[in-house]
Amino acid sequence: NAGVTQTPKFRILKIGQSMTLQCTQDMNHNYMYWYRQDPGMGLKLIYYSVGAGITDKGEVPNGYNVSRSTTEDFPLRLELAAPSQTSVYFCASSYRVGGSEQFFGPGTRLTVL
Amino acid sequence: GQQVMQIPQYQHVQEGEDFTTYCNSSTTLSNIQWYKQRPGGHPVFLIQLVKSGEVKKQKRLTFQFGEAKKNSSLHITATQTTDVGTYFCAGDSNYQLIWGAGTKLIIKP
Repeated sequence: NAGVTQTPKFRILKIGQSMTLQCTQDMNHNYMYWYRQDPGMGLKLIYYSVGAGITDKGEVPNGYNVSRSTTEDFPLRLELAAPSQTSVYFCASSYRVGGSEQFFGPGTRLTVL
Repeated sequence: GQQVMQIPQYQHVQEGEDFTTYCNSSTTLSNIQWYKQRPGGHPVFLIQLVKSGEVKKQKRLTFQFGEAKKNSSLHITATQTTDVGTYFCAGDSNYQLIWGAGTKLIIKP
């Protein structure tokens, strides 16, 4: 099993550009999450999904959108990139929503200039 | 909103010294999880504590969950270079993980 995979690993965007961060998991987990981690900081939840077709906002959703058309895929869309979105983005998945470890992808390092 | 405070932010130790990080939640937690993130890596699950007063050990690592289920600690005995990284606690409350800011373990050369 590959676990959670993310693409791309690195990306530089110009202000105002858009992009989609890809996330795929092969563990048949219903629950998936997007986090951002700013330098020297903890993880902040952007969006999460409890199953295909169901998504909800986390702590810092502004400037992002998600979709969940399949159990495996949970892409994160950045519209009109801003320097404040410079961060490392982690996708994660879990078997249950509570009391269940989260498995993380390797992350996407995004810089907005 | 719910918060999990984690201290210290950094701890510098000589190899062989002990390391401890503490987490405090503003609310009672269902459980607490601990993760380790190596430099440049992603968080990796270490353990989950569920019961009030629970203590679990993994070799040189000791995890504790407070009696009121609002605080937790991770203690590493006799640190090694392989322990370097950032240790995060994540409190589970209302089916969402609330993450502490992490404690970075730095081994002095």
